Amino acid sequence: GAVVSQHPSWVICKSGTSVKIECRSLDFQATTMFWYRQFPKQSLMLMATSNEGSKATYEQGVEKDKFLINHASLTLSTLTVTSAHPEDSSFYICSATGTSGSLNEQFFGPGTRLTVL
Amino acid sequence: SQKIEQNSEALNIQEGKTATLTCNYTNYSPAYLQWYRQDPGRGPVFLLLIRENEKEKRKERLKVTFDTTLKQSLFHITASQPADSATYLCALDMFSGGYNKLIFGAGTRLAVHP
Repeated sequence: GAVVSQHPSWVICKSGTSVKIECRSLDFQATTMFWYRQFPKQSLMLMATSNEGSKATYEQGVEKDKFLINHASLTLSTLTVTSAHPEDSSFYICSATGTSGSLNEQFFGPGTRLTVL
Repeated sequence: SQKIEQNSEALNIQEGKTATLTCNYTNYSPAYLQWYRQDPGRGPVFLLLIRENEKEKRKERLKVTFDTTLKQSLFHITASQPADSATYLCALDMFSGGYNKLIFGAGTRLAVHP
């Protein structure tokens, strides 16, 4: 149980285009979803926290107009990287916490590798 | 702000030995501390959670200790196997803005050699 999927697993896009990444909880309802980015050999950096039906809370230094987060249902959150540039190339990972069990355990998706040319 | 330090250098050990990884943090102690495993190109996988009032936690071949005085957690893998080779992440569980959120260390890469 507690499986989180991400789509796509990798994406290559041209500079200036927008890319949408989906995060789904497959077998549980996710009250809270988190979006992280990770550069090679570095730690996961939390970008934003979102609850279903409400606006995301962004971490300091993360541009909310550039990284649009929509948490439309208890099983789906999307991250849209708008007007992507090469410096946005990174590994994006989502996680989710459920409505039961340990609220402190986050279940992570497999990640999405974004490359902006 | 909270800072987390994990050995940046890879840990190389022989199969069957015990691997010990260190996680040190500054400032205040979190209510919970978690350890995750991450394989290359994959998301982290939860291993163990330890609370601030717990000194030690075990799960099969894994053992975690939490010393709030030293501001340190140790992660042990006994009878290590090549399949244990991965990067291990320490994460501090913080409650902020109405949510629990995790602050991750950069991880320590473990290589277990046959």
